[in-house]
Amino acid sequence: DSGVTQTPKHLITATGQRVTLRCSPRSGDLSVYWYQQSLDQGLQFLIQYYNGEERAKGNILERFSAQQFPDLHSELNLSSLELGDSALYFCASSVSGTSTYEQYFGPGTRLTVT
Amino acid sequence: EDQVTQSPEALRLQEGESSSLNCSYTVSGLRGLFWYRQDPGKGPEFLFTLYSAGEEKEKERLKATLTKKESFLHITAPKPEDSATYLCAVQAGSNDYKLSFGAGTTVTVRA
Repeated sequence: DSGVTQTPKHLITATGQRVTLRCSPRSGDLSVYWYQQSLDQGLQFLIQYYNGEERAKGNILERFSAQQFPDLHSELNLSSLELGDSALYFCASSVSGTSTYEQYFGPGTRLTVT
Repeated sequence: EDQVTQSPEALRLQEGESSSLNCSYTVSGLRGLFWYRQDPGKGPEFLFTLYSAGEEKEKERLKATLTKKESFLHITAPKPEDSATYLCAVQAGSNDYKLSFGAGTTVTVRA
């Protein structure tokens, strides 16, 4: 158990819908990262937050957005969902977002868009 | 752009048969190379961080090494419970803390 929690574990929804994925980092960690894992793309970085502020963006679609709240939990919002958005979404946390530290991953949310 | 290539894609071993996994990387300014283990449908589990060429780290039957162009994960006398996908990732650049992952090596250890 990494100490990172994610909810829900599974999500099944229809095209065009909007969903919210939630992540709670390990106690004491200030930085949260979101990654998408699909069979053809592997693990891809989406976005990083550090102590409530956006720090870095990867290949995140404009339909996707995220935020980190004062209690440091984070939410990833996915809207106008398409079939190709079906994937595993992982949240990871690290002590710092400004130094090289290992990232600890949560169990993931499996999103299925039908 | 950071490039991370892992080989082989898949590895089938007999219990006790030692082997090595390769991770080659092309980055500008490596700050850390990470190894993770991932079981099907689960999140990646952190194994090692390597920071500079020549560094080695060990944990049970696993040993990770780093050169200027690649890293190796050696599995000594593997057991069936070592079956998993092993992922290599790099962190590079002056102000970038994301991980760039390779596609992974899926290891199957038969009893």
